[in-house]
Amino acid sequence: GEDVEQSLFLSVREGDSSVINCTYTDSSSTYLYWYKQEPGAGLQLLTYIFSNMDMKQDQRLTVLLNKKDKHLSLRIADTQTGDSAIYFCAESIGNYGQNFVFGPGTRLSVLP
Amino acid sequence: SQTIHQWPATLVQPVGSPLSLECTVEGTSNPNLYWYRQAAGRGLQLLFYSVGIGQISSEVPQNLSASRPQDRQFILSSKKLLLSDSGFYLCAWSAGGHGYTFGSGTRLTVV
Repeated sequence: GEDVEQSLFLSVREGDSSVINCTYTDSSSTYLYWYKQEPGAGLQLLTYIFSNMDMKQDQRLTVLLNKKDKHLSLRIADTQTGDSAIYFCAESIGNYGQNFVFGPGTRLSVLP
Repeated sequence: SQTIHQWPATLVQPVGSPLSLECTVEGTSNPNLYWYRQAAGRGLQLLFYSVGIGQISSEVPQNLSASRPQDRQFILSSKKLLLSDSGFYLCAWSAGGHGYTFGSGTRLTVV
């Protein structure tokens, strides 16, 4: 079945770059997503990438997609304390991409 | 613009009591609706999804049920709560486009 894997924890120093990695198994995924969850809150869509792209940049965020290896990464440049959160990778599946499979989430801790 | 409302934000219920969590969506029609549970320190587990009124698909056998009495209303229920039902419950909607939009979540503690 479909599976999405992520490292569970990542610590970086403020000002450094963070790289959060994700692997997925469904090669027919149309879109891949990154969500951010701050403590006690719902999930917020950060960015997404269409499966025929290999890179997408949005301000401090860079998404890299290696479709051959089914590997997705999220790079956060100049990481700030406000970036501390859980980051979820997700792939869309189903005939219309209507269902998602989420990874377990990576807890990013930003150290001063 | 589309918005999603989920309530209550927090809930403490005794074991064996009933549960009703409500989620409503505004600004769209015929959305796909989802209930997820997030146990403490863990990822998201899809509980139910619905592609239309009265249409409910269950992903895992459990003590919970879901209903969709109206196009933009999704309800999560239980007749008798168990301790293991504690968690953070998230409602979400999508229109088959770019991503899900999540509600702010309900933290349920069963005591």
